Amino acid sequence: EAGVTQFPSHSVIEKGQTVTLRCDPISGHDNLYWYRRVMGKEIKFLLHFVKESKQDESGMPNNRFLAERTGGTYSTLKVQPAELEDSGVYFCASSRWGETQYFGPGTRLLVL
Amino acid sequence: AQKVTQAQTEISVVEKEDVTLDCVYETRDTTYYLFWYKQPPSGELVFLIRRNSFDEQNEISGRYSWNFQKSTSSFNFTITASQVVDSAVYFCALRSGGNNRLAFGKGNQVVVIP
Repeated sequence: EAGVTQFPSHSVIEKGQTVTLRCDPISGHDNLYWYRRVMGKEIKFLLHFVKESKQDESGMPNNRFLAERTGGTYSTLKVQPAELEDSGVYFCASSRWGETQYFGPGTRLLVL
Repeated sequence: AQKVTQAQTEISVVEKEDVTLDCVYETRDTTYYLFWYKQPPSGELVFLIRRNSFDEQNEISGRYSWNFQKSTSSFNFTITASQVVDSAVYFCALRSGGNNRLAFGKGNQVVVIP
C-alpha cells in the first residue's frame, strides 16, 4: 500500500510569489491533515479535512493560506503571497476517523 | 488546552548504550491518545506507537520500550542497545479534546556515535 505522498519535496521562492503544495493521502483515508514546522519550533497543526469538507481549520495562520480538497482525494495548500516567515517544512498526514495519522515526507519551503 | 514537553533537545550516546527520551503531557481530558514518531535524516515522520489513556500497560517492541505513567503525565521512550540507525529526531504527540489534531513536542535529536 502506498504511503502519503507530497509534492514538491523542496520549493524555493521569492517573497510575494505564490506556491502550491500537493498531498496525496493513503487510499481509503477520508481524513487529511496539514501541519507545519517552522525552523526550531514544534510541528503545528494547520487544518483537517474529512473528505472534501474542512473539519477544523483552527491552525491556519492567516488568509494567505488556502487549502482545498476537491473530490475528497488529494489536497492542495496554496500560500499567496508568500512571506519570509512561511519558510519551514509542511507535512501532510492521513488517517481513518479517529485512527493513527500517517505522515508524508514533507515539503521544504524556503521563502527568500 | 493540550501541551507536550520534551525537555531534552539533543542527546548523544555511544553505540550500544541505552537512551531514554522524556515526554510530559498536559490535558484536561480523561480520554486522550499519546504517540511517538521518528524522523530520520531523510525527513519523513514514521509512526512508532500509539497509546490511549485507559491503557497504562507498558510496551516493548524489539529494542524500543515505552513507559506510560498517568500519575506523572509522562510517556517516556527508551531505546536499548542503541544503533547508528537510531539517529533521528523523535517526537512525542498528544491528541485529546475530541478533535483529531495532534499537539507535538519540540522533539529529541538523538545522535548515536559509532
